[in-house]
Amino acid sequence: DQQVKQNSPSLSVQEGRISILNCDYTNSMFDYFLWYKKYPAEGPTFLISISSIKDKNEDGRFTVFLNKSAKHLSLHIVPSQPGDSAVYFCAASPIIQGAQKLVFGQGTRLTINP
Amino acid sequence: NAGVMQNPRHLVRRRGQEARLRCSPMKGHSHVYWYRQLPEEGLKFMVYLQKENIIDESGMPKERFSAEFPKEGPSILRIQQVVRGDSAAYFCASSPQAMNTEAFFGQGTRLTVV
Repeated sequence: DQQVKQNSPSLSVQEGRISILNCDYTNSMFDYFLWYKKYPAEGPTFLISISSIKDKNEDGRFTVFLNKSAKHLSLHIVPSQPGDSAVYFCAASPIIQGAQKLVFGQGTRLTINP
Repeated sequence: NAGVMQNPRHLVRRRGQEARLRCSPMKGHSHVYWYRQLPEEGLKFMVYLQKENIIDESGMPKERFSAEFPKEGPSILRIQQVVRGDSAAYFCASSPQAMNTEAFFGQGTRLTVV
């Protein structure tokens, strides 16, 4: 039972353009959503988060959008840079209960082409 | 300030042997979480520990797996009588307090069972 789904295993984007990574969830108890970035042979690194009381959160080149009615969130990266090439994981948590309740998606491998 | 340290980075075990994975949390962090990532899947929660206490082990397989976080020293994830299906990347994360979802991850231990 995959409660958090990232349906695109990979995405390729030209440098300077916008990268859009998508994530869907099924559990309506999820209240807090995060994006992690992972380079090969390294652990995931926290990128940006959003709580369900908001529909948008922005941090520099990264913006996360949340559509609660559609149970969908997306991460926008603009402009995309070669260093953004990594695997991106979407994660969700019921309220803010601590990392033990994080449910991760399968990840999307983003490749930024020069 | 060193990050979350996991060792070994790579571990090869024959079927039936024991695997011990170590995790030293960030300085000042007393909450440790273990996650497992199977090939082509997202990270799945295994266990959440505080010093000397297991708080939540709902993601741990019922047999052969155990975890501890002693008063002194690193957290240990122990897998007895390993099988091929235990081959995965095991990630440890730590946070300074329980209600902090943005835990910091280590680089992981890649376990290969041959």
